[in-house]
Amino acid sequence: DIQMTQSPASLAASVGETVTITCRASDNIYYSLAWYQQKQGKSPQLLIYNTNSLEDGVPSRFSGSGSGTQYSMKINSMQPEDTATYFCQQAYDVPWTFGGGTKLEIK
Amino acid sequence: EVQLQQSGPELVKPGASVKISCKTSGYTFTEFTMHWVKQSHGKSLEWIGGINPNNGGTSYNQKFKGKATLTVDKSSSTAYMELRSLTSEDSAVYYCARVNWAYGMDYWGQGTSVTVSS
Repeated sequence: DIQMTQSPASLAASVGETVTITCRASDNIYYSLAWYQQKQGKSPQLLIYNTNSLEDGVPSRFSGSGSGTQYSMKINSMQPEDTATYFCQQAYDVPWTFGGGTKLEIK
Repeated sequence: EVQLQQSGPELVKPGASVKISCKTSGYTFTEFTMHWVKQSHGKSLEWIGGINPNNGGTSYNQKFKGKATLTVDKSSSTAYMELRSLTSEDSAVYYCARVNWAYGMDYWGQGTSVTVSS
């Protein structure tokens, strides 16, 4: 199985700050990487797929990049509504696997 | 509007089985695969498997083979997941999620809580 190592596990950011979350895959996943946002008590929501494609309706302050085994998601100008847990997920190989999650809070 | 409506919470005894439903609307059911994800309390997400509603073809996480069975009813645009031989380790929230052409899970059900307890 491809292991997805996500970091940091948690962080606190100020409003307006830029936030970066990273995911490292144990093998090359050839850009097949998605990011999800999960707010407390809610279902996950797709933010980014194929490394850098923004899902419809997702604010443009979210962006994704990466290649090979290293991927990241950036939030430009953190907003209070971005408080949530974020997960990366690879869909290159079965079983699809998720990162452990990053809990993002407002400082 | 695309919607995935899952069945309600379940309290089941150890050793029993449970079948969760995911009724879809707002899109052509057979044009997208449906996947299932487990989230144990306060933890990360685990992919259980997926099914192609068009032909019933399935793909499972080896970890859940023998535990989960995925099926669909095209006539009602509903996907199902049956979990058997339940133990406390199966207590979790289970989600159905539609997968888009780029393998992103773009629509999710609201989740079904399964609690295994005697």
